[in-house]
Amino acid sequence: ETGVTQSPTHLIKTRGQQVTLRCSSQSGHNTVSWYQQALGQGPQFIFQYYREEENGRGNFPPRFSGLQFPNYSSELNVNALELDDSALYLCASSLDPRARAGVTNEQFFGPGTRLTVL
Amino acid sequence: DAKTTQPPSMDCAEGRAANLPCNHSTISGNEYVYWYRQIHSQGPQYIIHGLKNNETNEMASLIITEDRKSSTLILPHATLRDTAVYYCIVRVVDPWTNAGKSTFGDGTTLTVKP
Repeated sequence: ETGVTQSPTHLIKTRGQQVTLRCSSQSGHNTVSWYQQALGQGPQFIFQYYREEENGRGNFPPRFSGLQFPNYSSELNVNALELDDSALYLCASSLDPRARAGVTNEQFFGPGTRLTVL
Repeated sequence: DAKTTQPPSMDCAEGRAANLPCNHSTISGNEYVYWYRQIHSQGPQYIIHGLKNNETNEMASLIITEDRKSSTLILPHATLRDTAVYYCIVRVVDPWTNAGKSTFGDGTTLTVKP
């Protein structure tokens, strides 16, 4: 069973640019969530994808968007980067608890992508 | 959304029990309490979760008050490798749509000392 993987590990962009971050969910997990973690703070929920559609969103502007693919992997896209977008971006996968009896919905996190916006 | 409040930092002697408190006074009936820890800005690691009953696994125990407004994570024999930021979060998943959301606070930095 493979864990959650994210790429790239580090990224440097300049203000105004666009960035795409990628996540592969843990084997068999069909739900992916994205979080932003600024230095010294807890992760903040961006959105969740399930069945290739966004089905939950935190307090983030529309320039934060995402995709989920049939193999459950996901992308986070951020347009018009701002300096405050510098953060660790975390992906977490989980399994729909309705999938089978006894399944609970704890999330398993990837190692994150460190984005620096200059 | 329910919020959690944790002390910013705590110390614990190696080999002793570490008791980490969390307040979630606005928790609603369908929200679970989860605990994660994060070491050196790696991804958070799942520890334990519960709804209203106390829970125990190989890593820790979770004590939830009867009114569910607070909880305590217990690491029974802390080691130096348990030094990390510990997050108490509330999480709800809509049983109809699978829509889920986890609300993190700023966590407690636990330092285990020799």
